[in-house]
Amino acid sequence: EADIYQTPRYLVIGTGKKITLECSQTMGHDKMYWYQQDPGMELHLIHYSYGVNSTEKGDLSSESTVSRIRTEHFPLTLESARPSHTSQYLCASRTGDQPQHFGDGTRLSIL
Amino acid sequence: AQSVTQLGSHVSVSEGALVLLRCNYSSSVPPYLFWYVQYPNQGLQLLLKYTSAATLVKGINGFEAEFKKSETSFHLTKPSAHMSDAAEYFCAVGVSGTDKLIFGTGTRLQVFP
Repeated sequence: EADIYQTPRYLVIGTGKKITLECSQTMGHDKMYWYQQDPGMELHLIHYSYGVNSTEKGDLSSESTVSRIRTEHFPLTLESARPSHTSQYLCASRTGDQPQHFGDGTRLSIL
Repeated sequence: AQSVTQLGSHVSVSEGALVLLRCNYSSSVPPYLFWYVQYPNQGLQLLLKYTSAATLVKGINGFEAEFKKSETSFHLTKPSAHMSDAAEYFCAVGVSGTDKLIFGTGTRLQVFP
């Protein structure tokens, strides 16, 4: 069952728009992650958080920003979308030494 | 630095045949290794994980993987493929001292009737 929710699942939007991808988890996990995945490619970590008010950039440089005001919520924002931002974005969470648990992803297409 | 390499971006098998998906890792410390499966239009689901407790790890859906230090491998197998096994499979290694995962490029498994 889905304990980590991503909305929207699909988004097609024009260049220059501000976009927020939502990620919420109901498991009380302290650690949360955002990955970018291009078709047929591996996942690249773009942001992570170890708890409220904690955010770090991942291994892949991204123009997106994140916030962690509440434990359960870890939104990702693009201030001005560009076609190069077209990708799938996956959110994950974990606690302790448990494996990362993934949401179903948001498939973003910028026209 | 740690890394994983998945050999074969596409694997095709007949229903009922053995599934073998290859993963080799590079790590200077004992690694934490994972196999995830991704069905179309979904996120990743954990199949199994290796954390040094046992070299043969059994996962969900009949999959298992064997950790072989001498070969730096963690190949995923299933004795008999089912049509529902068609998906993308990712091998990943936990980065030592962090909570990060490094993923391989994935292997797409096709199962033919």
